[in-house]
Amino acid sequence: EAQVTQNPRYLITVTGKKLTVTCSQNMNHEYMSWYRQDPGLGLRQIYYSMNVEVTDKGDVPEGYKVSRKEKRNFPLILESPSPNQTSLYFCASSLNGGGGYTFGSGTRLTVV
Amino acid sequence: AQTVTQSQPEMSVQEAETVTLSCTYDTSESNYYLFWYKQPPSRQMILVIRQEAYKQQNATENRFSVNFQKAAKSFSLKISDSQLGDTAMYFCAFMKPLGNAGNMLTFGGGTRLMVKP
Repeated sequence: EAQVTQNPRYLITVTGKKLTVTCSQNMNHEYMSWYRQDPGLGLRQIYYSMNVEVTDKGDVPEGYKVSRKEKRNFPLILESPSPNQTSLYFCASSLNGGGGYTFGSGTRLTVV
Repeated sequence: AQTVTQSQPEMSVQEAETVTLSCTYDTSESNYYLFWYKQPPSRQMILVIRQEAYKQQNATENRFSVNFQKAAKSFSLKISDSQLGDTAMYFCAFMKPLGNAGNMLTFGGGTRLMVKP
């Protein structure tokens, strides 16, 4: 089944403890992105990637890192999480962008 | 930077009736794409319909259609014969292709649609 897999689905952590949210797609897509969803703000793009080793900042990149060492994987790293990063996170991928993106199931992150 | 505005935070419609969700955007780009995504309570993001800016013909997908007004920068979604399963949050999104750099995707704040039996 063609899909984008995110893990974990739920995570509660403490301020300052480094964490990684994994994202993997099995559709050989070139384009991948990370978003955060907050009430009333819709989804905001954190980072995007066109291919291996090609990444760039979206609208809200502060406090996040990404890497694209393999085409299928695009992990999101929070080096020192803070409570304002409590949010619902989505990873998405696309073959060419214009056809639309396929989203993962989301990761609900709570930082206390 | 692009902005996307959905002016209706919440809407409701009776089952089998038609409803239109509004979306406006602000851009100076000529080449872009527009999307409507549906997010049911399961929180999964599902692509409903897409429109390429250079195409004048409005996109349709079964009961879903759009009214794309490029000059007015408007992209509304019409849902015909509404069904209970259409109850969800709907997001309008604008995508600016950046060639070899990737894609910038900007979402509106969402419209919560309730279909009533």
